[in-house]
Amino acid sequence: VQLVQSGAEVKKPGESLKISCSGSGYRFSNHWIAWVRQMPGKGLEWMGIIWPGDSDTRYSPSFQGHVNISVDKSLSTAFLQWSSLKASDSAMYYCARRMGMAVPGTRDYYYYMDVWGEGTTVTVSS
Amino acid sequence: DIQMTQSPSSLSASVGDRVTITCRASQNIRNYLNWYQQKPGNAPKLLIYAAVSLQSGVPSRFSGSGSGTDFTLTITSLQPEDFAAYFCQQSHSIPLTFGGGTKVQIK
Repeated sequence: VQLVQSGAEVKKPGESLKISCSGSGYRFSNHWIAWVRQMPGKGLEWMGIIWPGDSDTRYSPSFQGHVNISVDKSLSTAFLQWSSLKASDSAMYYCARRMGMAVPGTRDYYYYMDVWGEGTTVTVSS
Repeated sequence: DIQMTQSPSSLSASVGDRVTITCRASQNIRNYLNWYQQKPGNAPKLLIYAAVSLQSGVPSRFSGSGSGTDFTLTITSLQPEDFAAYFCQQSHSIPLTFGGGTKVQIK
């Protein structure tokens, strides 16, 4: 089971970008994919998740409207996209599989991110 | 949003020490709490899920406890490979949120 992310990117402010995360070794359509940002020297920030089966997407309010999360389940690949990059978008971006485990006696699930990609470094500089 | 507060933000310890990291949620999250370890230059790695369950392959010196708003990650005998950053994360509700992290350094 692995997630493989696209390579490092260097862009200028205002440019667009789409990075990818390809899953293998498991049924890609049956697990949420999450995106997590880590700015240099900082902590982890959850950006959003997507269900590859039907492209159901949830965003953190902090990132809603600034990025677009999409998926091509035929390619077992999720994407994170910007239409107009800013210098403040410079960071490491991780994708992760969100695994669910049923909570006994309920219809609820414990969710956790059990498989992570290696990360994609995005540098935005003029 | 649920705020996750970790303490301490950093600590210095020696090999063989017992280390405890705490995480507090701004509201009751029952046991929807995960812990991750991150070494420099690497992606995070899942250690504990559902507050107390050890992820497969993780050494038994790692353990988690707590429920409601207060949680603890304990390393019973710190090993050289355990020097890293540790993050808690609530999975109770969206948006998912992480604690600020605890950096475990060599004394």
